[in-house]
Amino acid sequence: AQSVTQLDSHVSVSEGTPVLLRCNYSSSYSPSLFWYVQHPNKGLQLLLKYTSAATLVKGINGFEAEFKKSETSFHLTKPSAHMSDAAEYFCVVTWGTGGFKTIFGAGTRLFVKA
Amino acid sequence: DTGVSQDPRHKITKRGQNVTFRCDPISEHNRLYWYRQTLGQGPEFLTYFQNEAQLEKSRLLSDRFSAERPKGSFSTLEIQRTEQGDSAMYLCASSPVPVAATNTEAFFGQGTRLTVV
Repeated sequence: AQSVTQLDSHVSVSEGTPVLLRCNYSSSYSPSLFWYVQHPNKGLQLLLKYTSAATLVKGINGFEAEFKKSETSFHLTKPSAHMSDAAEYFCVVTWGTGGFKTIFGAGTRLFVKA
Repeated sequence: DTGVSQDPRHKITKRGQNVTFRCDPISEHNRLYWYRQTLGQGPEFLTYFQNEAQLEKSRLLSDRFSAERPKGSFSTLEIQRTEQGDSAMYLCASSPVPVAATNTEAFFGQGTRLTVV
């Protein structure tokens, strides 16, 4: 069975400090993994994706994530948080032909303090 | 704007009424998805179309829910005899058919927020 666990429902950081949002997954298949961000009153936006190429994936706005198969993890990081990063972040697993089967994690709300 | 658009953005309805939502995907995208998102949760998959064919339906999609994509372009999601538990954000997404078995990301609309009173 496939599953996604986001280990923290809320993360609070100060502006300028590193961000770590944790995601573990379980999949019987070779999954594709994504991180999406959801700002209030806006649609989900893709941050980055892993599709079995490089294990360290760079995304938009300075975010990156590392796929670790041995740990079944796909944690999202950013070296220095900005106020505009405050949002809800979702880790997503897809599988099936062309990835139409999808599971979202429950989300992690990131708060950034001035 | 060439993104995924959903209409209406907000809908308030009385319990027992029927509602219909529309989604216009990105024009060249063959795949279209519907999700439901309740407060504090991630989106849950409801159904998926490739062109006009509905290829997958979640067990979440009860008999009161029906989705169509008659010409392989826009899609509608209808909920009959709405219940308070149907209150949620309904998200539509589209994606192209992937090339070389690489899973592609979905592009999401802003959603339709349904409130059943």
